[in-house]
Amino acid sequence: ETGVTQTPRHLVMGMTNKKSLKCEQHLGHNAMYWYKQSAKKPLELMFVYSLEERVENNSVPSRFSPECPNSSHLFLHLHTLQPEDSALYLCASSLHHWTGSYEQYFGPGTRLTVT
Amino acid sequence: KQEVTQIPAALSVPEGENLVLNCSFTDSAIYNLQWFRQDPGKGLTSLLLIQSSQREQTSGRLNASLDKSSGRSTLYIAASQPGDSATYLCAVSGETSGSRLTFGEGTQLTVNP
Repeated sequence: ETGVTQTPRHLVMGMTNKKSLKCEQHLGHNAMYWYKQSAKKPLELMFVYSLEERVENNSVPSRFSPECPNSSHLFLHLHTLQPEDSALYLCASSLHHWTGSYEQYFGPGTRLTVT
Repeated sequence: KQEVTQIPAALSVPEGENLVLNCSFTDSAIYNLQWFRQDPGKGLTSLLLIQSSQREQTSGRLNASLDKSSGRSTLYIAASQPGDSATYLCAVSGETSGSRLTFGEGTQLTVNP
């Protein structure tokens, strides 16, 4: 039990669908992250939230829309995705985001397939 | 821009062997370095975190070393077991980049019974 849960674990969606990924952390952390892991590529940081406020957006296309209603929950809303968006999407949390001294804890990921 | 490289990309060893995984980074201005384990299709499990002021960290059969000035880290696994089979990822955080982690592509380890 890592303390970070993600649902669904697997998702298949068409290019015109709208879906959402959910992440929840039970660790009392203040920072949450979305990462994308594509085949044969290093993990890429997508978004960083601190106390429900987005603090980093790494040039992610607008078809990915994050939402952080409170410090325990993080969503990634998906619409009109492309096949190259198929990947493992990982959520992580840490106590704070402003230094690297705080260890990040990862969820199990959502395997997304866009058809 | 920080770049992290892991060598080898894949490694297959017989059970019981001691092995070393390598990680190198281009910018030595790091805050810490983490080694993670990832099982197929799963999330990441943190194995060891080394602060930039430290030289090594140990946990059970795992030992990670850090040479910040040369931009290198090694993960030593003693007496490998089939259960150690997984992908091992190295990641660094920069001195001025907050919690942002830069990851390597990983080393896929297979330990054969």
